[in-house]
Amino acid sequence: RKEVEQDPGPFNVPEGATVAFNCTYSNSASQSFFWYRQDCRKEPKLLMSVYSSGNEDGRFTAQLNRASQYISLLIRDSKLSDSATYLCVAFGDAGNMLTFGGGTRLMVKP
Amino acid sequence: EAGVAQSPRYKIIEKRQSVAFWCNPISGHATLYWYQQILGQGPKLLIQFQNNGVVDDSQLPKDRFSAERLKGVDSTLKIQPAKLEDSAVYLCASSLVGDSYEQYFGPGTRLTVT
Repeated sequence: RKEVEQDPGPFNVPEGATVAFNCTYSNSASQSFFWYRQDCRKEPKLLMSVYSSGNEDGRFTAQLNRASQYISLLIRDSKLSDSATYLCVAFGDAGNMLTFGGGTRLMVKP
Repeated sequence: EAGVAQSPRYKIIEKRQSVAFWCNPISGHATLYWYQQILGQGPKLLIQFQNNGVVDDSQLPKDRFSAERLKGVDSTLKIQPAKLEDSAVYLCASSLVGDSYEQYFGPGTRLTVT
């Protein structure tokens, strides 16, 4: 079983739609969680942190449920520029390393 | 501020050949990471350096992969000999401190082994 699992998608949504991605993790010792964004043929970049209390940054909301070992990312009012792969990341479960999920691909259509 | 530099950007080799990748982290970043990203998967950590010392290399296939960061700045990752399954993007990342979740990635080296 993978440590961090995501639905690979692709999620095809129209502009303006709301879309949600989920991620599960297997190691309860993981301390922190993040979403990274990776554009096609580009490097990953930190998008936002994930807290149990929720974290909102503009159109993006991230949520952590430790009891269910489940992380979510909600994108409201999708833009064409949101098209990318979103990587769910666990931190701190082994030597303070980042463990990446396989990514969820989002395609926003006009 | 200059980002993480990597070279070459692309490399095509035949199996059993050797290849080396170079990385120069962001100035002042003590921690350097090498990741392997196979198509359709997330990055997988190969090795982590803190200055010129190895912090974690548990996922580095040491029979064929080696890495060094002799002066605590730039780093080289080598594969010798390469196998078909080594075809991937090799990403270098750096962070200011060793326990930072915010890592800055370079553009990667896309390796194709034929």
